[in-house]
Amino acid sequence: AQSVTQLDSQVPVFEEAPVELRCNYSSSVSVYLFWYVQYPNQGLQLLLKYLSGSTLVKGINGFEAEFNKSQTSFHLRKPSVHISDTAEYFCAVSDRSTDKLIFGTGTRLQVFP
Amino acid sequence: NAGVTQTPKFQVLKTGQSMTLQCAQDMNHNSMYWYRQDPGMGLRLIYYSASEGTTDKGEVPNGYNVSRLNKREFSLRLESAAPSQTSVYFCASSGRQVGTEAFFGQGTRLTVV
Repeated sequence: AQSVTQLDSQVPVFEEAPVELRCNYSSSVSVYLFWYVQYPNQGLQLLLKYLSGSTLVKGINGFEAEFNKSQTSFHLRKPSVHISDTAEYFCAVSDRSTDKLIFGTGTRLQVFP
Repeated sequence: NAGVTQTPKFQVLKTGQSMTLQCAQDMNHNSMYWYRQDPGMGLRLIYYSASEGTTDKGEVPNGYNVSRLNKREFSLRLESAAPSQTSVYFCASSGRQVGTEAFFGQGTRLTVV
């Protein structure tokens, strides 16, 4: 069975500073990896995904993530955050054979002016 | 294009009452999911369905039943609601193509008193 660990429940950061949101996963099978974002009182929307190939993937709103197989990590980064990036971010893993999609506990990113 | 539609958006139940949360998608997706979201717990998978007529338990299935009667619709039933089932419930769907992202409904906020 797969699982996802998001190491930080909250990350406060000032506007225009860089940010990294950490995600580690465990799985006995090959997986796909995703980052989703949830703005207040909304559903989730996809930021980016890793399927195969290049380990650095770029997503919407200037976010990127790097897949590290040896460390079983998929950390999310942005070089310069904006107030509008304030939201909850979820890392997720999908079993390639069953589509079963499991989420981490989320990281609340709070951007201060 | 409606995407994933959940009804109702809000519901208050008394302990012991039953209800069904409805979910429909118009994207011809094979996989559908029900999650619950609680503070600090992230999204936890209740049940998922990889195709019409099949369902599988997720991380927290106890107290719930599901029905996938056709490709479009995936309902979640609470037979005897308990206060511990107070949560925000999200339905999602995804295709079977490689690494297809999941699309989410807007959520149902359920309170059990």
